[in-house]
Amino acid sequence: QIQLQQSGPGLVKPSQTLSLTCDISGDNVSNNIVAWNWIRQSPSRGLEWLGRTYYRSKWSKWFNDISGSVKGRITITPDTSKNQVSLQLNSVTPEDTAIYYCAREWAVAAFDNWGQGTLVTVSS
Amino acid sequence: AIQLTQSPSSLSASIGERVTLTCRASQGSSRALAWYQQKPGKPPKLLIYDASTLETGVPSRFSGSGSGTDFTLTISSLQPEDLATYYCQQFNSNPHEFTFGQGTRLEIK
Repeated sequence: QIQLQQSGPGLVKPSQTLSLTCDISGDNVSNNIVAWNWIRQSPSRGLEWLGRTYYRSKWSKWFNDISGSVKGRITITPDTSKNQVSLQLNSVTPEDTAIYYCAREWAVAAFDNWGQGTLVTVSS
Repeated sequence: AIQLTQSPSSLSASIGERVTLTCRASQGSSRALAWYQQKPGKPPKLLIYDASTLETGVPSRFSGSGSGTDFTLTISSLQPEDLATYYCQQFNSNPHEFTFGQGTRLEIK
């Protein structure tokens, strides 16, 4: 049974860095038929895909450059020794306040397993 | 970027009623569509992928259809536990991006 357990602070000050971790059990972060994604949800933006990383003989990363909301501020890092994937979002503003989810994507480009979600509030 | 428009934005239906939700893409894509159910305080749950394939463990009253730009999610006989918000999602490979619809809130009469 695959479980994604998220951890990280629920309150971040404006201009600082949001950091979340997703611990993976029941699967391997290096599994070469899945990808590991970060998605957020807010009343103003709805469900918004942020980025993904996956291993196919080497690591690849893709980020949401379309909406511009996180462009240039986001880092997604896999950690094979801890079997986890992390999210960092720099220079946060109150508009980054949202519930953040990690999610596993498998071959059919759908998210079949989700973390429990972390409400992150950006406020001084 | 592909945009997904769901209709209606909210819907009230009776137990046992057949319910159809719609998702329209702004451009046709070779990649199929997924549907999710989200209940308050929970992450979305995958119901359908590849437009019409039922995820393991999902009740058979849920079904999906469509291709190109027009897709539907049907609940054949609405149950009380189906109270939720439903989202569609699509993947675009150039560049890699995922898009979600704005959701349809389903209420029980």
